Formats: sequence, C-alpha cells, structure tokens
Amino acid sequence: DAGITQSPRHKVTETGTPVTLRCHQTENHRYMYWYRQDPGHGLRLIHYSYGVKDTDKGEVSDGYSVSRSKTEDFLLTLESATSSQTSVYFCAISEFGGGTEGYTFGSGTRLTVV
Amino acid sequence: AQKVTQAQTEISVVEKEDVTLDCVYETRDTTYYLFWYKQPPSGELVFLIRRNSFDEQNEISGRYSWNFQKSTSSFNFTITASQVVDSAVYFCALTGANSKLTFGKGITLSVRP
Repeated sequence: DAGITQSPRHKVTETGTPVTLRCHQTENHRYMYWYRQDPGHGLRLIHYSYGVKDTDKGEVSDGYSVSRSKTEDFLLTLESATSSQTSVYFCAISEFGGGTEGYTFGSGTRLTVV
Repeated sequence: AQKVTQAQTEISVVEKEDVTLDCVYETRDTTYYLFWYKQPPSGELVFLIRRNSFDEQNEISGRYSWNFQKSTSSFNFTITASQVVDSAVYFCALTGANSKLTFGKGITLSVRP
C-alpha cells in the first residue's frame, strides 16, 4: 500500500558484472530519485528524474546510469559493479518535487559487490 | 548549492533524559523545506516533520519538538523523556528550487535503559 516498491531487496553480485535495480511506483508521481546510503555519509543522491525520459545527475553519479521509459519505473544500472558500490540503495518519489508534499521512500535494496 | 550539517555523529543517553539533535543548513533559495527522518534498526526511513522556510513556528508532537531559527539557519530536534524505542539514526534534510533532497550525514542516537 506504500505505492513504491524496490526490487530486488537484496543482491550479491561479482565485481565487473552489470546490475540493474528497479523502482516501481503506483502513485503516478512525476519525480523519482535514487540515493545510496553509506556509513558516515548519510544518503547521497545518485540520479533523479523529473519526467519520462528526463533525468539528471546527482552528487555521486559516476559509475551509474538510469532510465525512465514510463512514469512508473525508474531503473538504476551499474554497468560494471565495483566493491565501492556496495551500499544500500533507496528510491524516492514525489509528486511536485518534494517541498510541498514531501517524499515517499522505498524500503531499500542492499547490494553487495564481491 | 545546498548543504546540511549534522555535527553530532553519535549520542548516547539514559532513558528519560532529554536530548537535542542539531541541524544546520545552507541554501541560497528563499523558499525551501526542511525535513527530519528517523531510520530505526529495521532500515526504513520514517518521515517525522516537514517545515517550510516561511513558517518559523516551533512545533511539538508528543515527546518530539522542533525549533526552526532562520537567523542561525538551524532546525533542531528535541526528544523529551527519551525511550529505548527512540534509538535510531536521525537525518535532517533540505530541499529547495532544484527539487533535490539533500541529507545530512545522520546522528546515531542510542537510548540505554
């Protein structure tokens, strides 16, 4: 009933392999975001989207790409996973950009790169 | 650019003590929004409060209270009579005209029985 789901919830992958994380929403919200959470760093923005096919970089975008071909799905791809990308990844959505209505976060994806 | 600073990294208190979590922010926007989130050991992010830049009224919700002061660019969070269930990581965050939510690094609060 949260309106936002992330898949998978957990993933272990090998260095050098491609990985795609999916964020799916049922709220028809315009904005979608990908964050990574690391100890001592809080949550840092990787990429965000302000509409279908409209995306922009965040502060830690190197090594990541995103795609949004339809309103409900925002995909985060690690083209060639590295151990430094071991993290917890959160997706968030907002209807108008967050200020007036806030953000809804997914439950997170724990990614381990070995 | 916008920035959120949570200078405290870890705080440990005994149950029933009051505790204040500090948050200082930087932004050039005149319209902006401040947030506090709680992340319990289970890992999900729990929304606590949103405050816009035009509303400097302090807010109280049960044992929680927030003090917003534009003059010092601070949005501090106080828990009165802390409980073990308050043990969590607390994040302060800021959004403005760029629609990006910027987080502080978080404060780990441990409440001991």
